[in-house]
Amino acid sequence: EVELVESGGGLVQPGGSLRLSCAASGFTFSGYDMHWVRQPTGKGLEWVSAITTTGDRYYPDSVKGRFTISRENAKNSLYLQMNSLRAEDTAVYYCVRERAAPGLDYDNWGQGTLVTVSS
Amino acid sequence: QSALTQPRSVSGSPGQSVTISCTGTSSDVGTYNYVSWYQQHPDKAPKLMIYDVSKRPSGVPDRFSGSKSGNTASLTISGLQAEDEADYYCCSYAGSYIFVVFGGGTKLTVL
Repeated sequence: EVELVESGGGLVQPGGSLRLSCAASGFTFSGYDMHWVRQPTGKGLEWVSAITTTGDRYYPDSVKGRFTISRENAKNSLYLQMNSLRAEDTAVYYCVRERAAPGLDYDNWGQGTLVTVSS
Repeated sequence: QSALTQPRSVSGSPGQSVTISCTGTSSDVGTYNYVSWYQQHPDKAPKLMIYDVSKRPSGVPDRFSGSKSGNTASLTISGLQAEDEADYYCCSYAGSYIFVVFGGGTKLTVL
């Protein structure tokens, strides 16, 4: 059974940093592209970042230059380093597996970890 | 403001059918057949219901169907059931620069 477990969320001050982790199990982690998707409380979903099996990385303009996605296949782990955090980054962050190509959709989601940016 | 436009809410009675629209542009929905739909119940993670415009993952009832015409994708739920009450989000691939866009979500109420 596929399982994605996020950790590392919490309260951080504006301008601060936080590193999220996602532990994957139940599938060959190295064979899948992985993403982070976030959801502010009571609002919709927003794509945050993606990393391919070959290490290519993608970001929306809203986080480009502040967030860095990475993966460690030997540890079946996905990470999101978040710097220069802003109040608008407050959200539940989901670790998401992209279904095998072709296409772009998400067949497995973690339970999410809450990041709160506030002074 | 979300990149894809969805109605904020729709409703229907048990047994009826409802359709949720998702309007994008020629840069996303109109060009790529990589539209997906997600169901989210309160305090739960989203669940994939439709991918590649009209394909259903294993385990998703055939009451759920997807389609696309031009820049607009649609999710139709037939034979509404109480457990279908949830938020629904559409999503599309948008090319190698923008990459992924979501709709703002639609709240489905089963009356």
